[in-house]
Amino acid sequence: AQSVAQPEDQVNVAEGNPLTVKCTYSVSGNPYLFWYVQYPNRGLQFLLKYITGDNLVKGSYGFEAEFNKSQTSFHLKKPSALVSDSALYFCAVRPNYQLIWGAGTKLIIKP
Amino acid sequence: GAGVSQSPSNKVTEKGKDVELRCDPISGHTALYWYRQSLGQGLEFLIYFQGNSAPDKSGLPSDRFSAERTGGSVSTLTIQRTQQEDSAVYLCASSLDNWNTEAFFGQGTRLTVV
Repeated sequence: AQSVAQPEDQVNVAEGNPLTVKCTYSVSGNPYLFWYVQYPNRGLQFLLKYITGDNLVKGSYGFEAEFNKSQTSFHLKKPSALVSDSALYFCAVRPNYQLIWGAGTKLIIKP
Repeated sequence: GAGVSQSPSNKVTEKGKDVELRCDPISGHTALYWYRQSLGQGLEFLIYFQGNSAPDKSGLPSDRFSAERTGGSVSTLTIQRTQQEDSAVYLCASSLDNWNTEAFFGQGTRLTVV
């Protein structure tokens, strides 16, 4: 079965430190990869995507993600975390019309 | 409109009543998804529409749930004889029909069944 794993339910980072939110996937073919963010009581907002080309993708709010084909991973990163980055982050994979979602990772940035 | 619009934003209903949730996708987006999200949890796929093709209904949890998409635009999700376990946020998303494009989400409808 095709799946997306976000192995950490919650990630805690001190403000100003780098952050990583992990995502691995198990799907057939060469899927497209996405990250979304959900702030409290809000809908999901698109952050970035990997389609092809450079393995390091840059997105909104200073976030970037690194695609690793051999490890089937697409980890979300940011060099310096802000308290306002605290939110729920979802990884999604699209092998066809379907979007396959991870369970989400709660990111908490402490001042 | 500029984004995906969902209405109502909040709905409180009594157990056993029927409810209708509406989604207006972004103009020109042929793909439309409905998801359900329990508090702080992940997304549960419900149904997918693509143009004039038959919808993928594989995620609908029971026959009390149904959805329509009229004229390839507005979609309505109907829940009949609501139960307390139906309480959740119902999210709608739309996208172009290219698989490399991102989906855009509405703000959701928070359904509470009392």
